[in-house]
Amino acid sequence: NAGVTQTPKFRVLKTGQSMTLLCAQDMNHEYMYWYRQDPGMGLRLIHYSVGEGTTAKGEVPDGYNVSRLKKQNFLLGLESAAPSQTSVYFCASRSGTGGFQETQYFGPGTRLLVL
Amino acid sequence: AQSVTQLGSHVSVSEGALVLLRCNYSSSVPPYLFWYVQYPNQGLQLLLKYTSAATLVKGINGFEAEFKKSETSFHLTKPSAHMSDAAEYFCAVSEQGTGNQFYFGTGTSLTVIP
Repeated sequence: NAGVTQTPKFRVLKTGQSMTLLCAQDMNHEYMYWYRQDPGMGLRLIHYSVGEGTTAKGEVPDGYNVSRLKKQNFLLGLESAAPSQTSVYFCASRSGTGGFQETQYFGPGTRLLVL
Repeated sequence: AQSVTQLGSHVSVSEGALVLLRCNYSSSVPPYLFWYVQYPNQGLQLLLKYTSAATLVKGINGFEAEFKKSETSFHLTKPSAHMSDAAEYFCAVSEQGTGNQFYFGTGTSLTVIP
């Protein structure tokens, strides 16, 4: 049982390049989330999904797109990377059956540097 | 809108001393509150959570937190700090009626001095 995994662990991009971050969970969770973590700002929600085929915007969605074609996977895309997107990206998931008291389980993070 | 405030972005304590990390929230409805810990270069792990069952919540690694509605606080404590407690700590709130989101504080970095 791997929990939440993220690929890649680290990536360097040039401004304008595109890339996709993959999040996978093996806990059969309905809800999945993408956050970015920046110094002094905590974690901010980018997009989330409440089930296969659904996505919704979070607090800072601009410049990102997501897809949830399979229940276990949640992809985060950067169409045209900008230096402001240099950050650490975390994926999280929760069951979705226990309401708002449920714990979110986090992946190990992806460090992205945009030059 | 709900929010979480963590007072003190950096806290230093001596090994064996009391750890106190502060968290205040704003919410118009009873919230669910969480403390997460992040060790260097790792993801977040749940320390404990408040779900209205009991105001004093005990978590892993000897940590506990007390929900005080009158003070809108959920401070994290540990009686005796250990070197292994050095990490970043995040308070978060989840609230019914706000969609499906967590709202995190900005984090407190704990340093333990030998």
